[in-house]
Amino acid sequence: DQQVKQNSPSLSVQEGRISILNCDYTNSMFDYFLWYKKYPAEGPTFLISISSIKDKNEDGRFTVFLNKSAKHLSLHIVPSQPGDSAVYFCAASAPPGDMRFGAGTRLTVKP
Amino acid sequence: ETGVTQSPTHLIKTRGQQVTLRCSSQSGHNTVSWYQQALGQGPQFIFQYYREEENGRGNFPPRFSGLQFPNYSSELNVNALELDDSALYLCASSRHSGGDYEQYFGPGTRLTVT
Repeated sequence: DQQVKQNSPSLSVQEGRISILNCDYTNSMFDYFLWYKKYPAEGPTFLISISSIKDKNEDGRFTVFLNKSAKHLSLHIVPSQPGDSAVYFCAASAPPGDMRFGAGTRLTVKP
Repeated sequence: ETGVTQSPTHLIKTRGQQVTLRCSSQSGHNTVSWYQQALGQGPQFIFQYYREEENGRGNFPPRFSGLQFPNYSSELNVNALELDDSALYLCASSRHSGGDYEQYFGPGTRLTVT
């Protein structure tokens, strides 16, 4: 059961522009949402998170938006940099610790 | 602060054999979760251990089992290996502080079953 979906397997943007990565979920019990970035041969690295009681969280160039009614979240990266090129995973968790991941979106930022 | 470490890095096993994968959690973390990541997919939750007890389990058969030790390190054991068990196995640790579900991942163990 695919409770967290990332429908775009890849995204390519120009350096300096905005990158928008999208994620949809189906389980209304999820109460915490996270984005992870993964480089080849490394484990996923935590990027940013948002609680279900908020609709926006910002950390530097990264902003996560949550639309609970639509069961949708997005990650905005502004401005995009070549070093941001990686696979981005959306994840959602519900107590006691069940975290579900999407299949990932490969972001390529072109110089 | 020491990050999450996993051993071994790579492993090749034969169908029907048993395997044990190891994980050391990040300093200060008392919760360990294990994930299986097949090629082209996101990590799939196997189970979580909190203070040496299983604290949640995903949709994996009982031949996937685990342990957590008093120092919060952990093992993942898989019995009767099948070809489909070939994957990257990720361990992640976190502080169990209720509402803080940020997990920090190790580099993974690549298991190949032939």
